[in-house]
Amino acid sequence: GAVVSQHPSRVICKSGTSVKIECRSLDFQATTMFWYRQFPKQSLMLMATSNEGSKATYEQGVEKDKFLINHASLTLSTLTVTSAHPEDSSFYICSARDRNRNLSQYFGPGTRLLVL
Amino acid sequence: AQSVTQLDSHVSVSEGTPVLLRCNYSSSYSPSLFWYVQHPNKGLQLLLKYTSAATLVKGINGFEAEFKKSETSFHLTKPSAHMSDAAEYFCVVSFFFNTDKLIFGTGTRLQVFP
Repeated sequence: GAVVSQHPSRVICKSGTSVKIECRSLDFQATTMFWYRQFPKQSLMLMATSNEGSKATYEQGVEKDKFLINHASLTLSTLTVTSAHPEDSSFYICSARDRNRNLSQYFGPGTRLLVL
Repeated sequence: AQSVTQLDSHVSVSEGTPVLLRCNYSSSYSPSLFWYVQHPNKGLQLLLKYTSAATLVKGINGFEAEFKKSETSFHLTKPSAHMSDAAEYFCVVSFFFNTDKLIFGTGTRLQVFP
C-alpha cells in the first residue's frame, strides 16, 4: 500500500527558532501534498496544499510567511515553522495524493512539535 | 457552508458487541464521504469511502457505512467489535468541486472493553 513518512516524529525547540518537518511518499509519486494541524482533542485542520514545482496554496488564516512550504520533488514536501512560538505547539500531519488514484490521500504518522 | 458533525466524542463497547459511530454532514452539493481511523503513533488510515456509487459501502476490517441522503448521515457500523478497533475515528467530507479539500469531523474515540 501507499506509505507516507514524516520526520521527525517529535521535536522540541526553543521559542524563536525555526523547525523543518519533512513529508515523504515512499512508494508512489505525489504531485500534491497537504499539511494539516491537529490540536489536542480536536480535529485536523487543513493548513495548505502543496503542489510539486509551484507555490503552496494556504487556507484562510494561515500565515504563509510563518509556515513555509516547499514541494521540490514528487516525493518530498517540507514545512518550516519559522520563529516558532509556544502557540505553534501542535501535531502536524501531512498527506500525499497518489497521482494515479483520484481522491485518495495517504497520511503520514504526524510530527509532534513542542515550542518552549 | 460545508461541514461534518460527529455526534459522539466518545463511544465505549464491549468486545463482540456492535459498533455504531454517528456522522451527519451539511452540504448543498453532492459530497464524497470518508471514514478514517487514527491509531496512536500511526498515520490516518482510510476505512472506506462513498463517492456516489452504492449507498452501502463496505470497508476494511469489517466496517461498513450507509449513505442516507434524506437524513444527511453516514454512520459507521461494525457487527462485532474487536479490541484492536480501539482508536480515534474521523468522518470526513469533500465536494466534487474541490476534491482536494477534506473537511474533518471532530472525531470519535472508540473504547473497547474485554
